[in-house]
Amino acid sequence: GAVVSQHPSWVICKSGTSVKIECRSLDFQATTMFWYRQFPKQSLMLMATSNEGSKATYEQGVEKDKFLINHASLTLSTLTVTSAHPEDSSFYICSARDPRLAGADTQYFGPGTRLTVL
Amino acid sequence: SQQGEEDPQALSIQEGENATMNCSYKTSINNLQWYRQNSGRGLVHLILIRSNEREKHSGRLRVTLDTSKKSSSLLITASRAADTASYFCATALSGGYNKLIFGAGTRLAVHP
Repeated sequence: GAVVSQHPSWVICKSGTSVKIECRSLDFQATTMFWYRQFPKQSLMLMATSNEGSKATYEQGVEKDKFLINHASLTLSTLTVTSAHPEDSSFYICSARDPRLAGADTQYFGPGTRLTVL
Repeated sequence: SQQGEEDPQALSIQEGENATMNCSYKTSINNLQWYRQNSGRGLVHLILIRSNEREKHSGRLRVTLDTSKKSSSLLITASRAADTASYFCATALSGGYNKLIFGAGTRLAVHP
C-alpha cells in the first residue's frame, strides 16, 4: 500500500513552454503533498507544501508564479513549470502524506519526473 | 536552506563490511528519517526515529539519535552490493505539516 505515482516520468520541452507534472496517491488519500527538486548529485530541496483545497505554501526563494501547484483532490496534485528555461532542468519528486494512516509521519515518495528544457 | 549535514559525502566499502553514515541538524525536530535513493530513482523510506527515541533497528539497519548533539547515525551491517545507493537523512521539523528537510546525502558504493 501507500503508493505514489508521477506522470510523466521524463519530459523534454523547448524553452518558454509550460510543463505539467502530476502526482497521484494511488491507494490512500493524501491530505498533504510535497514537491521537491533535485539537481544531479545533490540533495532534495523542498519547493512547496500543498494541502488539498488550499493554496500551496512555498519555501523561501521558490517563485510561486513560476511553479504553479494545484491540489484539487485528495489523490492528485499537479506542478506546472511555466515558461520553462534550461536552468529549470531538474528531477522533480513529489511525496504524499495521510495523517490518518498508521505511520502518519511517513511521507511516501513518487518515482520522480526528469525535466529537460532545451 | 538545508537543515541536515551528512558525512561522509561518499563511502566505498567491500561487501560484508559495515557502513556508517552520520547526520547532523540544527533545530528542534519531531522525528528524523532515513531514505535511500538509487541513481535517478525515487526515494525509499528506510526508518523513522522519533525525538524521544535513542535507537531503532530494522533488519540490517540500526539508527541512533542524540538530540543533545543534534545528530543521528545510520549503520548498515553486513553490506551487500545491492546496498549501493545514496542515503539521505531528513528531519521533520516540529509544528507545521511535518515537512522534511533533507541532508546532503552519503553516496555509498559496496564492491563485491
